[in-house]
Formats: sequence, C-alpha cells, structure tokens
Amino acid sequence: DTEVTQTPKHLVMGMTNKKSLKCEQHMGHRAMYWYKQKAKKPPELMFVYSYEKLSINESVPSRFSPECPNSSLLNLHLHALQPEDSALYLCASSPGTSGGLSSYEQYFGPGTRLTVT
Amino acid sequence: AQTVTQSQPEMSVQEAETVTLSCTYDTSESDYYLFWYKQPPSRQMILVIRQEAYKQQNATENRFSVNFQKAAKSFSLKISDSQLGDAAMYFCAYGPSGTYKYIFGTGTRLKVLA
Repeated sequence: DTEVTQTPKHLVMGMTNKKSLKCEQHMGHRAMYWYKQKAKKPPELMFVYSYEKLSINESVPSRFSPECPNSSLLNLHLHALQPEDSALYLCASSPGTSGGLSSYEQYFGPGTRLTVT
Repeated sequence: AQTVTQSQPEMSVQEAETVTLSCTYDTSESDYYLFWYKQPPSRQMILVIRQEAYKQQNATENRFSVNFQKAAKSFSLKISDSQLGDAAMYFCAYGPSGTYKYIFGTGTRLKVLA
C-alpha cells in the first residue's frame, strides 16, 4: 500500500472557525510533511515531522498548528485563518529511516482544498 | 542559496511523440537527490522518477528517462511515446542528502495534443 490519504477533500471555513485537516499513511514511513500549494505554483513546505517529533517549521503563522499523534497520523489544526490562507494543503510521507535515496522519496496525498471566507 | 529553475512554463507535444522538459539547479553540495513529480489536474502529486547525484547512470522508468549532467547541474526529463494521460504540471525537485527539505522548481505545464 503506497497510499497517503487526506480528509476532508474540501473544506470551507469562516475566519473565526476552528477546523482540522487529517492525513494518514500505513506504509511505515517515519517522516511526514505538510505543504501549502497555491494555484499554478509549486508546493511550499510548512512542517516536517520525523519520528513523531517536529523537525522543521518553516516560520508558519501560529494559526496553523500541526500535531503528530502517532507514526501513521498527522493533523493540521486551523484557527482564525485569513482569506489568503485559501489553498490546497498537501500531506506527504517518506520512509526517513535507512538513509539513501529511498529515505527521502516523498509520497503525496490528494490534498484538501481549503477556502476561507 | 540552492535554487531550481524550470525555464519552460508550458510545453506541447503530439500524442506518440517525444518531449523533453528542462530543469537546472544550483548547489554547492556534492551529495543530493533529484526528482520529477507529475501533478495532473486531479491534483495529486505523483513521483515519476528519481536520481542519486553520485550515480552517473541516467534513471529510467518505462517511457520516462532523465538526462543527468552533474557538472552542468542539469536534470532534464524525456517522455517518449507521449500519451494523453501525461498531460499535467511537472515539477523538478532537489533534495540535499541528510535533509527532508525539497526545493521545487516553478513547474512546466505539459499539454498533449491528440
């Protein structure tokens, strides 16, 4: 199974709402990522978790709060977002274990299309 | 600073023909990885092909192959026998060894003409 799943597929939220995005993988990968992607642009890295610990935070505003409850699950908690936060949010995972090329190959989920009104 | 450049914002190819997408990168590292990802309009990013910098042999995956020129810092993607399903945005990505951070190029939108 080489699948990363994300829920929900679409999310519309107001600026005062609190919502969460969920990402799951069952490939035994130990690194998981959140990206933000605007239309016709490459993904922008937000956070990386390695062995369930936050490894990289790309100076993301605190209204985005990641959480990694276990090695298979990654959440992104959203609060008080702005309209400019509307984007496709992609989750990815990579083996992150043995070293070498395969450790760094990232497998992406289908994304959550977020609209902030 | 490490950068990745895809100089072709858009390319077109006739079905069954061959097309080459260009990618250049800038780095002072000697050990790194390079990737091509495909993102169809359905939006999921799919890993197409990967290359380790210390391997001189060019990677191939079925109809997809790369021309890796380490000295020139070039990593182009060749798609042979193009199919309608190859239509997508293609991103080149650079990943230094020992880090989880990719640097993506700006992408090339490939159109396949029937």
